[in-house]
Amino acid sequence: GAVVSQHPSWVICKSGTSVKIECRSLDFQATTMFWYRQFPKQSLMLMATSNEGSKATYEQGVEKDKFLINHASLTLSTLTVTSAHPEDSSFYICSARDPTSGSGNEQFFGPGTRLTVL
Amino acid sequence: AQTVTQSQPEMSVQEAETVTLSCTYDTSENNYYLFWYKQPPSRQMILVIRQEAYKQQNATENRFSVNFQKAAKSFSLKISDSQLGDTAMYFCAFVNTNAGKSTFGDGTTLTVKP
Repeated sequence: GAVVSQHPSWVICKSGTSVKIECRSLDFQATTMFWYRQFPKQSLMLMATSNEGSKATYEQGVEKDKFLINHASLTLSTLTVTSAHPEDSSFYICSARDPTSGSGNEQFFGPGTRLTVL
Repeated sequence: AQTVTQSQPEMSVQEAETVTLSCTYDTSENNYYLFWYKQPPSRQMILVIRQEAYKQQNATENRFSVNFQKAAKSFSLKISDSQLGDTAMYFCAFVNTNAGKSTFGDGTTLTVKP
């Protein structure tokens, strides 16, 4: 099956700094990627949809200036948490759609990134 | 907007027995996909089974099967011969064919007891 990687797998940063998380589709080209946030023992909350070569579409209530998303190539999307604060601490998961798969709407998930802001 | 409801926050089952996780959804769309994902303690999301709404036949993947009732908007997951490795959080997800975004239920934490 299609493989999606995320880097880093975990990161600790100081309040006020910015953190970049990378999401890569390793063996397919992903025109669309999705970014989720997950709190412990809760569901995945969609933050934004990232389309290659265009601006991301953010879900209601998600600050686009705080969570910057760039999808510069068909295999890479990045999420930058700017001026991070402790309340941004969470588990961030990306997923990607492989349009060539049998089910075009199946999403392949990265392993997630645990962000801790001190 | 679509909604997905998983009414069982936690469930447990004895090893080798059968358990059914429930999921209902609400949509006005006619073409969509439904998924069950497993999230073990590693937190990696793993696809368990997929159902296309236009298919009447229930999907089956080894020990996993679904009961898809389109009119009732119900999509339950049955796990047969439960194994310790099935212990995980299970999410039901709805995907609109056109929009492509997934809507997830709140999840069911399943514990398989030896």
